[in-house]
Amino acid sequence: EAQVTQNPRYLITVTGKKLTVTCSQNMNHEYMSWYRQDPGLGLRQIYYSMNVEVTDKGDVPEGYKVSRKEKRNFPLILESPSPNQTSLYFCASSYDSYEQYFGPGTRLTVT
Amino acid sequence: ELKVEQNPLFLSMQEGKNYTIYCNYSTTSDRLYWYRQDPGKSLESLFVLLSNGAVKQEGRLMASLDTKARLSTLHITAAVHDLSATYFCAVDIYTDKLIFGTGTRLQVFP
Repeated sequence: EAQVTQNPRYLITVTGKKLTVTCSQNMNHEYMSWYRQDPGLGLRQIYYSMNVEVTDKGDVPEGYKVSRKEKRNFPLILESPSPNQTSLYFCASSYDSYEQYFGPGTRLTVT
Repeated sequence: ELKVEQNPLFLSMQEGKNYTIYCNYSTTSDRLYWYRQDPGKSLESLFVLLSNGAVKQEGRLMASLDTKARLSTLHITAAVHDLSATYFCAVDIYTDKLIFGTGTRLQVFP
């Protein structure tokens, strides 16, 4: 089954404790993105990647890092999480820019 | 500043009625997407509009794009409860960079 998977789905952590949210897709898509969703703000793009070893900042990249060492994986790294990074995070992938497939989401709480 | 504005933000409508959700955007683009999100769920792609004048229909939903007016509409015909969800439009600025609207929360009641 074609899908985008994220792990973990739920995470509660404390300020400053490094964490990684994994994202994997099995559709051989070149493009992958990370978004955060906050009430009243819609979805905002954090980072995106057009191919292996090619990443670029989205609208809200501060406090986040990504890597794209393999085509299928695009992890999101929070080196020192802060409470303002409490949010719902979505990973997405697409073969081209026509249509993005979204993962199930990761709900992160930073206390 | 790039903006994608949807209205209304909230829509409560009776089953069987028609209504339109509007998506205005502030920059040149000829690609626009509509997504649906159910509570606690991920986003599901509804429509991909790739050119001026594009119109697509699926069941009770029809989407259109006017790139000159920088406007897309999502028209709901004879609403049913199953359409209750939040609907997002997203504008493709350039490859793989999407700007989302804030969403329209639709509630359909009997």
